[in-house]
Amino acid sequence: GAVVSQHPSRVICKSGTSVKIECRSLDFQATTMFWYRQFPKKSLMLMATSNEGSKATYEQGVEKDKFLINHASLTLSTLTVTSAHPEDSSFYICSASTKPYEQYFGPGTRLTVT
Amino acid sequence: GQNIDQPTEMTATEGAIVQINCTYQTSGFNGLFWYQQHAGEAPTFLSYNVLDGLEEKGRFSSFLSRSKGYSYLLLKELQMKDSASYLCAVRDSNYQLIWGAGTKLIIKP
Repeated sequence: GAVVSQHPSRVICKSGTSVKIECRSLDFQATTMFWYRQFPKKSLMLMATSNEGSKATYEQGVEKDKFLINHASLTLSTLTVTSAHPEDSSFYICSASTKPYEQYFGPGTRLTVT
Repeated sequence: GQNIDQPTEMTATEGAIVQINCTYQTSGFNGLFWYQQHAGEAPTFLSYNVLDGLEEKGRFSSFLSRSKGYSYLLLKELQMKDSASYLCAVRDSNYQLIWGAGTKLIIKP
């Protein structure tokens, strides 16, 4: 149990376009979902925390107008990278949680902006 | 299928040493990560192994054997603040991350 999926697994888009990434908890209801950005070989940076039905809480330095997060239901959250630029190319990971220690991560989405 | 196995929970004593094991079966291998996560916080990167052997970083060390599909995280001189979840993740040939469920480490005085 406790499976989190992300779609797409990888995407290539042109500079200036927008890309939507979906995160789904497949067999449980997630009260909270988190979006991370992973830098090569290293750390996971928390971008935002979203609770179902309310606005996402963004970490300092993350542009909320650029990274739009919608948590429409207890099983789905979306991250939209608007007007993407090459520097937005990265690996984006979501996780879903029902309790603090029970956080389940998705497989990630590799975004390449050309 | 792909999976990562690590113990659900471990208990250790302050000042002691603990080894958290992680075994994996994935389609290809492009590196293994260990993260520490305290309740309510984002995971913190601990280590990255892509070649066999031991990587030492202060009190924490991580070991990898690709032929055995095995890694461990070694924590020395345990402190109370080391009580956290420890997550093992493997990057497969498609560059996707396969996550373990995490090991909850409880440190007792």
